[in-house]
Amino acid sequence: NAGVTQTPKFQVLKTGQSMTLQCAQDMNHEYMSWYRQDPGMGLRLIHYSVGAGITDQGEVPNGYNVSRSTTEDFPLRLLSAAPSQTSVYFCASSYSKRNTEAFFGQGTRLTVV
Amino acid sequence: EDQVTQSPEALRLQEGESSSLNCSYTVSGLRGLFWYRQDPGKGPEFLFTLYSAGEEKEKERLKATLTKKESFLHITAPKPEDSATYLCAVLMNRDDKIIFGKGTRLHILP
Repeated sequence: NAGVTQTPKFQVLKTGQSMTLQCAQDMNHEYMSWYRQDPGMGLRLIHYSVGAGITDQGEVPNGYNVSRSTTEDFPLRLLSAAPSQTSVYFCASSYSKRNTEAFFGQGTRLTVV
Repeated sequence: EDQVTQSPEALRLQEGESSSLNCSYTVSGLRGLFWYRQDPGKGPEFLFTLYSAGEEKEKERLKATLTKKESFLHITAPKPEDSATYLCAVLMNRDDKIIFGKGTRLHILP
């Protein structure tokens, strides 16, 4: 049972480049979410999904897109990377939005230069 | 404004020295409060969920408690392997919004 798998673990992008952070879970969870974690700040919700085909914005959605074509996968796309998007990104999953026992991936450390 | 504040920011303890971490919140309607542990370079790991004032939960050397304004994570006779950042988060009634605190970095010295 792998849990939540994120790839890549590290990435360096140039300003203006685009990329996709991958997230997959094997627990058949309906709810998946993306957070960013910055020094001196709490985890902030970027986008979330309550099931395949359904996504919604979180607290800091600008500059990011998501889609949910299957229960297992929830990729996060950076459309045109900016230095302000330098952060550690975490994907999480749980049975429902209100189920607080969320499982987090190992994180992707992204640097935009 | 809805807020979750954790204190202290950092705490250094000797092995065996018990202490408590605080998570205070001002939100409009609490659905639940949860604690996570985060090791360096890893994602948060779920510890506890508390739903109502007076509720307590325990796991090994950790005990979490909840009042109407704050939660405490008590650490009894900690060991070096308890060193980590401990995160508190609040799930609100309004739109099921989740707010995370900034965390407390705990370092247990052998």
